Amino acid sequence: DAGVIQSPRHEVTEMGQEVTLRCKPISGHDYLFWYRQTMMRGLELLIYFNNNVPIDDSGMPEDRFSAKMPNASFSTLKIQPSEPRDSAVYFCASSQGSFTGELFFGEGSRLTVL
Amino acid sequence: DAKTTQPPSMDCAEGRAANLPCNHSTISGNEYVYWYRQIHSQGPQYIIHGLKNNETNEMASLIITEDRKSSTLILPHATLRDTAVYYCIVRVAGGGSQGNLIFGKGTKLSVKP
Repeated sequence: DAGVIQSPRHEVTEMGQEVTLRCKPISGHDYLFWYRQTMMRGLELLIYFNNNVPIDDSGMPEDRFSAKMPNASFSTLKIQPSEPRDSAVYFCASSQGSFTGELFFGEGSRLTVL
Repeated sequence: DAKTTQPPSMDCAEGRAANLPCNHSTISGNEYVYWYRQIHSQGPQYIIHGLKNNETNEMASLIITEDRKSSTLILPHATLRDTAVYYCIVRVAGGGSQGNLIFGKGTKLSVKP
């Protein structure tokens, strides 16, 4: 079975450019989470969706960040404009129902903003 | 804010049991204890969770003290592939933002030959 699929795995861009990270959750999972990981702040929850609807975006750092889930099999995290401090590994995770707390994480997208 | 306290690092000899402690003295009655691990350059991986009874699966055992203020994750026969950062998380069961997983700094376990 395919796990959570993220793309791109690595992205290097220049400050001010738009960045779009993509995620395909595990089929049948109704929750999708976006996390960011840096050395300084560790793993932070940015936003999560239930049945394609954003439920809690309180972790989104600022208006430059936006996330969408147009259907059950695809989500995007967009940063516009990007800044060097956005450099991090961005993880997408999905789960089937939130009760179990068992999240399945993707391999991550490593973003470097120069 | 993470509600757990873990040692920053531990070493374990290959083939021996790795016992990773976690303090969660402010845990509420409806909060579960979860363990995840993150192998270098990979996404976190779920290991096990429990409420108050000890739990065991193919990966590990979870021992929760009777007062639920601390727990221990046990890897019975550690291998080099178990070298990772291990996260102990307390979480309210069910939906809503209270059920979100909040990761702390974890324990970096180094399994040595």
